[in-house]
Amino acid sequence: GAGVSQSPSNKVTEKGKDVELRCDPISGHTALYWYRQSLGQGLEFLIYFQGNSAPDKSGLPSDRFSAERTGGSVSTLTIQRTQQEDSAVYLCASSLHIGGNYGYTFGSGTRLTVV
Amino acid sequence: QKEVEQNSGPLSVPEGAIASLNCTYSDRVSQSFFWYRQYSGKSPELIMSIYSNGDKEDGRFTAQLNKASQYVSLLIRDSQPSDSATYLCAVLSGGSNYKLTFGKGTLLTVNP
Repeated sequence: GAGVSQSPSNKVTEKGKDVELRCDPISGHTALYWYRQSLGQGLEFLIYFQGNSAPDKSGLPSDRFSAERTGGSVSTLTIQRTQQEDSAVYLCASSLHIGGNYGYTFGSGTRLTVV
Repeated sequence: QKEVEQNSGPLSVPEGAIASLNCTYSDRVSQSFFWYRQYSGKSPELIMSIYSNGDKEDGRFTAQLNKASQYVSLLIRDSQPSDSATYLCAVLSGGSNYKLTFGKGTLLTVNP
C-alpha cells in the first residue's frame, strides 16, 4: 500500500480482555517495528521484525504481550489480560531495510484505552 | 541503557525567527540520526536524517551533527506557525542493535 496501515484506529476494552492490533506495512519494506507512546512520554520500543529472521522482542514489557508477522508482511500485536497501564497509542512503522538508515514510516496508530 | 535526551520545552519563537532544537545521546557508536515531527494527535513523520559530522540542509531545515560531543541539532529558519509541533530526535546505534531510540521530544510553538 501507499502507507503503513493500522487497525483499529481506536480500541476501548475492559480490563482483563485480550486485544489484537494489526499493522500492514508499506509493500516491499522488509523491516517492521512496534512502538508505544503513552501520554506525554516518548516512543517506547516493543519489538521488530526483519524478513525471516527471529524478531527482537527485547522491548516487550511483559509476557502478556506478543507479536507475529505472517508471510513477511502483516503483523499482529496481541495483548492478553489487558491492564489499565497498557493504555497508550500503539504505533507501527516499517523501513525499507533493517538498520533504519532509510528512516521509518509510521502508521497512524491505534489508541488503546483499557477501562 | 542507551539514552537520547532532549529539552522538553516548550520552546516558543516568533514567526520568522530561527528555532534551534537540541539533542544529546549516550551511545558513542551511534551511526545514524533522525529528526521526526509529530503534530498533536498524529504520528511522527521523518523530516531529516544525518549520518556524517557537519551540517545537512533541506529547505528551511538544517541538521547538525557533532559525534565527538555526541550532539545533534535541528535548526528551522523562517519559522512558521505550521511548524508548531513536537520534534523527536532519534538515534540508531551501531552493532546489531537495529532499532531507533527516541528522545521524549521538544514542543515547539511558533507565534504569529
